[in-house]
Amino acid sequence: KAGVTQTPRYLIKTRGQQVTLSCSPISGHRSVSWYQQTPGQGLQFLFEYFSETQRNKGNFPGRFSGRQFSNSRSEMNVSTLELGDSALYLCATGTGSNYGYTFGSGTRLTVV
Amino acid sequence: DQQVKQNSPSLSVQEGRISILNCDYTNSMFDYFLWYKKYPAEGPTFLISISSIKDKNEDGRFTVFLNKSAKHLSLHIVPSQPGDSAVYFCAAGSFGNEKLTFGTGTRLTIIP
Repeated sequence: KAGVTQTPRYLIKTRGQQVTLSCSPISGHRSVSWYQQTPGQGLQFLFEYFSETQRNKGNFPGRFSGRQFSNSRSEMNVSTLELGDSALYLCATGTGSNYGYTFGSGTRLTVV
Repeated sequence: DQQVKQNSPSLSVQEGRISILNCDYTNSMFDYFLWYKKYPAEGPTFLISISSIKDKNEDGRFTVFLNKSAKHLSLHIVPSQPGDSAVYFCAAGSFGNEKLTFGTGTRLTIIP
């Protein structure tokens, strides 16, 4: 079966711009979580969506937002980009019942 | 507040020997723990998990040990193979909350 698809793979944006990242889950997976990975910080949880509802949220500013569509695809948006937002953004999808998360390959965002 | 810690940023092990990766946590309410392996330019891949009610789980060459009183878990890989060279993340979660809390990772290098 197809894996988790994240698009685009790479992105370069200018400070102050906004960006939208996309995550298409494995068929049947209704839970989509987003993580930010930066060097030395590991993976930091951003938020999780299930059936179009945000169920959990991490400690990120309001510039980071997301949504989920009826087909379970999810988008993450970052507004007013800062240099510190440069990171690998990963989404993980699952059935919503713990344990079985599958990660996508991520979107590498560079803010210049 | 780093609730999950991997204090060794890197580890080198001779091929064929045992690799031991360590992880400490502070939150006694975690219900389960996971280990992920990550290659460059790819998302993390699930390796093995352990419930908080167990002290050991084994899957082929991989064994995870959990010491709840010490709030410590470890991943043993034996025998180590060159393909095991990657960054390993431990993660912890709680039932009913889809958020995973990750450590900062340990880069394992297997020396042929």
